[in-house]
Amino acid sequence: NAGVMQNPRHLVRRRGQEARLRCSPMKGHSHVYWYRQLPEEGLKFMVYLQKENIIDESGMPKERFSAEFPKEGPSILRIQQVVRGDSAAYFCASSPDSGRGTDTQYFGPGTRLTVL
Amino acid sequence: GNSVTQMEGPVTLSEEAFLTINCTYTATGYPSLFWYVQYPGEGLQLLLKATKADDKGSNKGFEATYRKETTSFHLEKGSVQVSDSAVYFCALSSGGYQKVTFGIGTKLQVIP
Repeated sequence: NAGVMQNPRHLVRRRGQEARLRCSPMKGHSHVYWYRQLPEEGLKFMVYLQKENIIDESGMPKERFSAEFPKEGPSILRIQQVVRGDSAAYFCASSPDSGRGTDTQYFGPGTRLTVL
Repeated sequence: GNSVTQMEGPVTLSEEAFLTINCTYTATGYPSLFWYVQYPGEGLQLLLKATKADDKGSNKGFEATYRKETTSFHLEKGSVQVSDSAVYFCALSSGGYQKVTFGIGTKLQVIP
């Protein structure tokens, strides 16, 4: 059973460009979470999605950031008009069920975004 | 809101030394508690977890006990190895779904 997959692993963008980060959850998981890890900091929750629905986006910056989890295909985190402060590691996690607090989230290897 | 406070690193230990990484939390309700480990260049792996008071999570020689009275979940290992060198994150989740709140991470370096 493949784990959570993220691509690309490394992404370099110039200021003003768009960044698209992809996450394929573990087989059988229908819940996806995105986290951001800034240098020398812990992970911060960004958004929680189920298939075709955004459940909680309280951690997402109000502008330039968006996320989706379509019926088919991976979840996408999209950052428009990137700035240097967006440079970070972005981690995706998935879980099989959101109704129980004991469900474990499984993390992908992350995408390291560098904005020049 | 929820928060996790863990000791700042880096922590440097000699091989076979005893490890303690302190973690305390603030949360509404009855959270589940976790320790995740991040090896260099990799994502987070769940190390252990505890879901209710007095539970002890354990894995690979690491242990942590859910202490509700002190709101703590300290990570311990009796004898560390060089291969344990990594960043360790204390975390919690509570509420209707598992939105995880992380501590800042503690970097552990074990020297031979």
